[in-house]
Amino acid sequence: SQTIHQWPATLVQPVGSPLSLECTVEGTSNPNLYWYRQAAGRGLQLLFYSVGIGQISSEVPQNLSASRPQDRQFILSSKKLLLSDSGFYLCAWSVLVGAGELFFGEGSRLTVL
Amino acid sequence: GQNIDQPTEMTATEGAIVQINCTYQTSGFNGLFWYQQHAGEAPTFLSYNVLDGLEEKGRFSSFLSRSKGYSYLLLKELQMKDSASYLCAVSGSQGNLIFGKGTKLSVKP
Repeated sequence: SQTIHQWPATLVQPVGSPLSLECTVEGTSNPNLYWYRQAAGRGLQLLFYSVGIGQISSEVPQNLSASRPQDRQFILSSKKLLLSDSGFYLCAWSVLVGAGELFFGEGSRLTVL
Repeated sequence: GQNIDQPTEMTATEGAIVQINCTYQTSGFNGLFWYQQHAGEAPTFLSYNVLDGLEEKGRFSSFLSRSKGYSYLLLKELQMKDSASYLCAVSGSQGNLIFGKGTKLSVKP
């Protein structure tokens, strides 16, 4: 069966520090991968998606970047965090882009102080 | 533009029925999804509608009217564990899911 894991689950970072969130999927090949952010009082916002290794699409301009170094690995990064980067970050995968169910990881709660 | 609207909060009584509405305006339509999200947890898939009509799955049903840009999620025989946020999401022409802000449902004894 397919599983998705992301880590760390919780982190508190100072403004200006770097960020790296990692997500891996097991039990499937060539998944479509996504990074979402859920800020307080706002809906899930799509940040990045990837349909293959090295292929990254950005949905909104921001302080973050994403990379897919391996088929089932998706990394969210920042060189310098801002206060507005605080939120609940969710990695997800799907078989079909947009037309199928999204399977979410456990989430990473980031607090920038 | 693209917009998905759903009520912010709802309250219902254990054992009752509740209907959560969702209206959407998107460029293109490839289906509508409902997800359940308990506090502090990731969303989990509940239902998918791509054609007009009602889809029933146990205590949960979801309805879609594409001409009206409207969907609802119907929860029957409410249980305390149904207290959660319910997210409406639409797959538009770009193929990616656009989520509403979610409806926080509180089930009271």
